Amino acid sequence: GAVVSQHPSWVICKSGTSVKIECRSLDFQATTMFWYRQFPKQSLMLMATSNEGSKATYEQGVEKDKFLINHASLTLSTLTVTSAHPEDSSFYICSVTQGANTEAFFGQGTRLTVV
Amino acid sequence: AQSVTQLGSHVSVSEGALVLLRCNYSSSVPPYLFWYVQYPNQGLQLLLKYTTGATLVKGINGFEAEFKKSETSFHLTKPSAHMSDAAEYFCAVSYNNDMRFGAGTRLTVKP
Repeated sequence: GAVVSQHPSWVICKSGTSVKIECRSLDFQATTMFWYRQFPKQSLMLMATSNEGSKATYEQGVEKDKFLINHASLTLSTLTVTSAHPEDSSFYICSVTQGANTEAFFGQGTRLTVV
Repeated sequence: AQSVTQLGSHVSVSEGALVLLRCNYSSSVPPYLFWYVQYPNQGLQLLLKYTTGATLVKGINGFEAEFKKSETSFHLTKPSAHMSDAAEYFCAVSYNNDMRFGAGTRLTVKP
């Protein structure tokens, strides 16, 4: 299966600053990557689908200007949380699939704490 | 649209006891079903999956699940729980790269 590396694994930032999270597919060229957000003791909520070379597709209710996604290459997608606020504190996870209807391979997640 | 319902947000069993985590799905097309496990502050790991073929699927760590179309269920079982099985378990349904997760079930294993 695909190996997905997410960086950083945790980050603390001040309110108003921006934070970039990287998701790398180490052994697979991923035309599509997925970004999820997970609140404590809750399930994963799909935020957006990141498409290589084109704009991301955001789920309803997700602010695209706040959560900037860039999928510049087949192995790298980035999620930038802009002007972060304490309510953005959460666990962010990326994943890739190797085709439709196949299992997803997940990064190890990034815990963001905004103070 | 697809969705998954996991009955029971928290299941507690004794070490050595049967583990049963329930999952029911809703899908207008033949579903692709998955069970994932998540340990604290980590991403998700695939336990097992059902795509087509045999309805009883065996996964890692002694887990298995049975796809029952008539019941729209995909319950996860393990005959004998280990302490190391304590984690959060997610059922998921997928169609055409659209994967949706259940709310999760936290499994606690008592010594």
